[in-house]
Amino acid sequence: GQQVMQIPQYQHVQEGEDFTTYCNSSTTLSNIQWYKQRPGGHPVFLIQLVKSGEVKKQKRLTFQFGEAKKNSSLHITATQTTDVGTYFCAHTPSGTYKYIFGTGTRLKVLA
Amino acid sequence: EAGVAQSPRYKIIEKRQSVAFWCNPISGHATLYWYQQILGQGPKLLIQFQNNGVVDDSQLPKDRFSAERLKGVDSTLKIQPAKLEDSAVYLCASSSSGTRYNEQFFGPGTRLTVL
Repeated sequence: GQQVMQIPQYQHVQEGEDFTTYCNSSTTLSNIQWYKQRPGGHPVFLIQLVKSGEVKKQKRLTFQFGEAKKNSSLHITATQTTDVGTYFCAHTPSGTYKYIFGTGTRLKVLA
Repeated sequence: EAGVAQSPRYKIIEKRQSVAFWCNPISGHATLYWYQQILGQGPKLLIQFQNNGVVDDSQLPKDRFSAERLKGVDSTLKIQPAKLEDSAVYLCASSSSGTRYNEQFFGPGTRLTVL
């Protein structure tokens, strides 16, 4: 229940271009976490957002939580080959403590 | 700080055989999760432990999957008998508590192939 959809499913960019992935829900989310999974690797936690309209930055990465808390985005400025991987959002449905992962966006960066 | 340990890293079995995976979480982490990740999909929670108690196992196929965390530290996940559709990476994760605001630390996973 309360699946979150991510778009796009795949994205190929030239190195140096920007990249954005979106996480969308039909219901209000209590929180959003973002993870990165390198090819053949395991998910690694990036950030958590809990407040409406919250924006957090980590170097070239900008994370945003929508005002209605129904969507979130991850934006990478000037992609590098090290950004390659699949980016997942995850959330905790209200009344539970478990995490539901989104469908993921696979990013390829062409040098 | 040592990370989450899992073994084995790879396992190949035939359908109807049984298999077991082991996970040792980060020291002091009360919450332990087992996820199934099928190729091209996001991780799907199978079971969540808080210390040695089960918090959520709603997506665990209980007719063939079982898990335990007897002493509230390490955990095992078992599949018996395995089916072809069980081919996936089984990820173990831990967090310091079971609240909804804690990051999860994932282990390297066990890649299971069922032939």
